[in-house]
Amino acid sequence: AQTIHQWPVAEIKAVGSPLSLGCTIKGKSSPNLYWYWQATGGTLQQLFYSITVGQVESVVQLNLSASRPKDDQFILSTEKLLLSHSGFYLCAWSGHLNQDTQYFGPGTRLLVL
Amino acid sequence: GEQVEQRPPHLSVREGDSAVITCTYTDPNSYYFFWYKQEPGASLQLLMKVFSSTEINEGQGFTVLLNKKDKRLSLNLTAAHPGDSAAYFCAVSVNSNNRIFFGDGTQLVVKP
Repeated sequence: AQTIHQWPVAEIKAVGSPLSLGCTIKGKSSPNLYWYWQATGGTLQQLFYSITVGQVESVVQLNLSASRPKDDQFILSTEKLLLSHSGFYLCAWSGHLNQDTQYFGPGTRLLVL
Repeated sequence: GEQVEQRPPHLSVREGDSAVITCTYTDPNSYYFFWYKQEPGASLQLLMKVFSSTEINEGQGFTVLLNKKDKRLSLNLTAAHPGDSAAYFCAVSVNSNNRIFFGDGTQLVVKP
């Protein structure tokens, strides 16, 4: 069975500080990986997706970047946090077929002060 | 591109009542449809995936209807109970799982 793990669980960070959020998938070879941001109030915004190691496509950047250093790892980062970065960050995975479902990780809650 | 509109944003029902959440989409090439449930403070959990070929989909305690002519997807929770209180999101895929388009969500409260 596949498991998806995100770290950290929650963070409180200062405006202007750097950020790195991680996501790891176990039990699935070569998954598609995705980053989403959920604002307080609930709307979901897809940020990035990756279909293979080293390749990341941006959907909406929001002054964030993403990287896929390993097959099972997806990293979301920024050098300088903004207040608007606060929210809930969700990683998801899927298979490669068009009909494959996206399954979500437990999420990281970020508060920028 | 695809646009997904979800209604209502908030819904409050009594235990035992039904609750209906509806999404409309714009792209006639939309092929896969999803309903996710998000309990407070938690992540999204898949409720059901629907293919465009199936109009009526039965789940445990709910039914998902797809009307391709009207481009409408609905989630009908029959006999809702307090454990159904959560945010519900529809999502639509236009023949590519790299981009799925989410509705803005419905916050459902089921009162005892």
